[in-house]
Amino acid sequence: AQTVTQSQPEMSVQEAETVTLSCTYDTSESDYYLFWYKQPPSRQMILVIRQEAYKQQNATENRFSVNFQKAAKSFSLKISDSQLGDAAMYFCANGGRNQFYFGTGTSLTVIP
Amino acid sequence: DAGITQSPRHKVTETGTPVTLRCHQTENHRYMYWYRQDPGHGLRLIHYSYGVKDTDKGEVSDGYSVSRSKTEDFLLTLESATSSQTSVYFCAIADRGNQPQHFGDGTRLSIL
Repeated sequence: AQTVTQSQPEMSVQEAETVTLSCTYDTSESDYYLFWYKQPPSRQMILVIRQEAYKQQNATENRFSVNFQKAAKSFSLKISDSQLGDAAMYFCANGGRNQFYFGTGTSLTVIP
Repeated sequence: DAGITQSPRHKVTETGTPVTLRCHQTENHRYMYWYRQDPGHGLRLIHYSYGVKDTDKGEVSDGYSVSRSKTEDFLLTLESATSSQTSVYFCAIADRGNQPQHFGDGTRLSIL
């Protein structure tokens, strides 16, 4: 069975500082993708960043970057220069041939 | 924003009644998904569709059925609602199975 584990239910970070959210996964597929989604209090699900498993280079989107360790099946999200608007629930997801598998989420608080 | 509309946005109903949630897309995407979101569980896949009249079960499909008679519409039905089905339901769409999914705004369903 495919699983995604987010071991940090809650995290906090000072504004302008850097925070890293952890995610590990298990999959039997050879071709897969990994994603981080953000869910603010508005309940919208917003794609933050994606990583193709066949690419060794870590994905980066402005202040968001990932550390993808394929052998360890680890996919962490780093948020640099944290802003108040980054406060949200963050979900890691593993996308296989037809389905996504989501972790249980990490609630991020940004302290002014 | 991807053109996804979920209806209704909120619904309160009683145990034992049938309930149908609708997801409508204007993107002509092949894949459509229904998830439920509960505290401590993240998003769990109920059913998904990979084409008109082509559907498959997800992780938590018991008590739910789906139908897709047109590319743009994906219906989720609770034949006889139970209190355990109180949740927030999200529809998502994707061009291909392993590509980023785009989410609707969710439906909050309360079963009393």
